[in-house]
Amino acid sequence: KAGVTQTPRYLIKTRGQQVTLSCSPISGHRSVSWYQQTPGQGLQFLFEYFSETQRNKGNFPGRFSGRQFSNSRSEMNVSTLELGDSALYLCASSFSVPGTNYGYTFGSGTRLTVV
Amino acid sequence: DQQVKQNSPSLSVQEGRISILNCDYTNSMFDYFLWYKKYPAEGPTFLISISSIKDKNEDGRFTVFLNKSAKHLSLHIVPSQPGDSAVYFCAASPYSGGGADGLTFGKGTHLIIQP
Repeated sequence: KAGVTQTPRYLIKTRGQQVTLSCSPISGHRSVSWYQQTPGQGLQFLFEYFSETQRNKGNFPGRFSGRQFSNSRSEMNVSTLELGDSALYLCASSFSVPGTNYGYTFGSGTRLTVV
Repeated sequence: DQQVKQNSPSLSVQEGRISILNCDYTNSMFDYFLWYKKYPAEGPTFLISISSIKDKNEDGRFTVFLNKSAKHLSLHIVPSQPGDSAVYFCAASPYSGGGADGLTFGKGTHLIIQP
């Protein structure tokens, strides 16, 4: 059974540019969450999608956005990149309906470097 | 304000001994707690969880203890093995298994198992 696939694995962008990251969840999983990992802040929740609807959003500026498609694949977009956006972006998928038991499986992440 | 705190950035333990990783939380609404393990260049892997209705959960070499009155949980690994060397994240949720609000993670503890 394929795991959570995130593409690309590595990305280098310049300040001011925008970036789109992709996440393919485990087959059958309908919930997809995104997290940002930085050395100083650890893992921070960005947003969660279930059945193409954003269920909740973490405390990030509006430059961070996402969406989920009918096949449960998800993308996140960061516009007007800043140096501080350099981080490992992790996607996690779950079979669970929000409000039920966890079963998050994380992907290996996309390492974004902003120069 | 950090709601989940792992006050030890790193911990060194001799192979065969017990590793104890600690986690404190401040939000009394947290009802479900999880531990994740992360190797470099990989996503976090779920290890073990505990609901607030329990004070202990065991899975093989891993045991999680929860002290609700102290808002403290700990992960015990015994015996410690070289493959346990990784970063361990404590995470919490207000739902007994709910995913809608995302997980709140600590900043992690880097466990080093010495031969």
